[in-house]
Amino acid sequence: GAVVSQHPSWVICKSGTSVKIECRSLDFQATTMFWYRQFPKQSLMLMATSNEGSKATYEQGVEKDKFLINHASLTLSTLTVTSAHPEDSSFYICSAGGTAYNEQFFGPGTRLTVL
Amino acid sequence: QKEVEQDPGPLSVPEGAIVSLNCTYSNSAFQYFMWYRQYSRKGPELLMYTYSSGNKEDGRFTAQVDKSSKYISLFIRDSQPSDSATYLCAMITGGFKTIFGAGTRLFVKA
Repeated sequence: GAVVSQHPSWVICKSGTSVKIECRSLDFQATTMFWYRQFPKQSLMLMATSNEGSKATYEQGVEKDKFLINHASLTLSTLTVTSAHPEDSSFYICSAGGTAYNEQFFGPGTRLTVL
Repeated sequence: QKEVEQDPGPLSVPEGAIVSLNCTYSNSAFQYFMWYRQYSRKGPELLMYTYSSGNKEDGRFTAQVDKSSKYISLFIRDSQPSDSATYLCAMITGGFKTIFGAGTRLFVKA
């Protein structure tokens, strides 16, 4: 499958600061990128779906002004957690999707800890 | 009721055992069915996928879908300690939105 990278792999920040997470599809042009959040021992919850050059579509309950998503190219999407709070601490995972249903390749995840 | 139900476990088996992992779902619109494996602090990796009822085999893994009962299973034969991970079922509607189960933590003891 395709290789998807995320940077950073982990980050610790102070409450009130903003954190940017990058998701890169290294060998695959992703029509769509997905952002998920996973709390400990829980499943992945889709936060938003983004298509290159378009505004992201957010899932119900996800604040679009808090979780800013930019999908600048077919190989790069960024998630910015603005004014982070301790309850935002989680494992954030992106995936790059192609045109087929089985073409969804996940990144290794970014562990965010907000103090 | 959740769209996808999966027992979180944990499930502990001895090496060599046959493992059965299951999910049920309520949304008839699901068209595609996947199983992912996720190691601790890593992203999920796709194990198997299918879109029709019946069995699909790949090495030691067999995926089974019963659309009439809204039930899917993953069987692992000759389980190995390296199979210890969390297994997530996932289902996709025609719009390619993926809904994941809670994941079952599997421990295979040597």
